[in-house]
Amino acid sequence: DAGITQSPRHKVTETGTPVTLRCHQTENHRYMYWYRQDPGHGLRLIHYSYGVKDTDKGEVSDGYSVSRSKTEDFLLTLESATSSQTSVYFCAISESERASTDTQYFGPGTRLTVL
Amino acid sequence: QKEVEQNSGPLSVPEGAIASLNCTYSDRGSQSFFWYRQYSGKSPELIMSIYSNGDKEDGRFTAQLNKASQYVSLLIRDSQPSDSATYLCAGRSYNTDKLIFGTGTRLQVFP
Repeated sequence: DAGITQSPRHKVTETGTPVTLRCHQTENHRYMYWYRQDPGHGLRLIHYSYGVKDTDKGEVSDGYSVSRSKTEDFLLTLESATSSQTSVYFCAISESERASTDTQYFGPGTRLTVL
Repeated sequence: QKEVEQNSGPLSVPEGAIASLNCTYSDRGSQSFFWYRQYSGKSPELIMSIYSNGDKEDGRFTAQLNKASQYVSLLIRDSQPSDSATYLCAGRSYNTDKLIFGTGTRLQVFP
C-alpha cells in the first residue's frame, strides 16, 4: 500500500465551524491532491499541490483552502463548513504528471458530516 | 456534459464469466487512462493504466484503449465474487493534466 494516511477518518461537525483535514505521505512524492466523492458525481478534484507551498485550484475549490508547508503533509481546510460539504474526502499522491509515473494512489478517506 | 462516461450498472455476471466494463471520453487529446476498483466504504485502488492503443493484460485483467473511438474498456476474466465492487475509469485531461473520473460502474459477481 502507498504510505498515505488521513486524519481524522470520521468527523461530525456543525454548520459554520472550521474544519481541517490532514493528509500525510511517507513516499516523498511531489504531487498531492484532495478529492471529494459524492453519489452521482464521482471523484472531483478540490485542490492540488505540486510542491511545498505550491498549490492550485481544482474543479470544486469554492469554500476550501489548502496548505503544504512540508513535502509529506497536505492540509485541507473548510473555513466555515456547510451541509453541502458533507462528503467523503480522499487524498491522493503521485510521483509526477508525466506518463509512466503519473499514477495516483489514494489514502483511506475521511467521512465528513456537516449538520 | 461529463467528460468521462460510465454506465452506473449494476452489471451482474455469474462466477467464472467475463465481465466487460466500458468507458467513453470526450477529450480527444487525453493520453493516459486508468481503471480503479473501489470496494464499498474503501478508497479507490489502481488496477490498470493504459497509454497506447490496443490491449494491455495483467493477470485476469485486460484494459483496452481505442483512441479513434474514444473508448476504454476493462475485461475481467474468470470473475470471482471478490471482484464485486465499483470500477472507476479515469482519463488525464489534455488541457489541465488532471484526472477526470467517471461516476463508476458497479459490478456484481454472483456464485
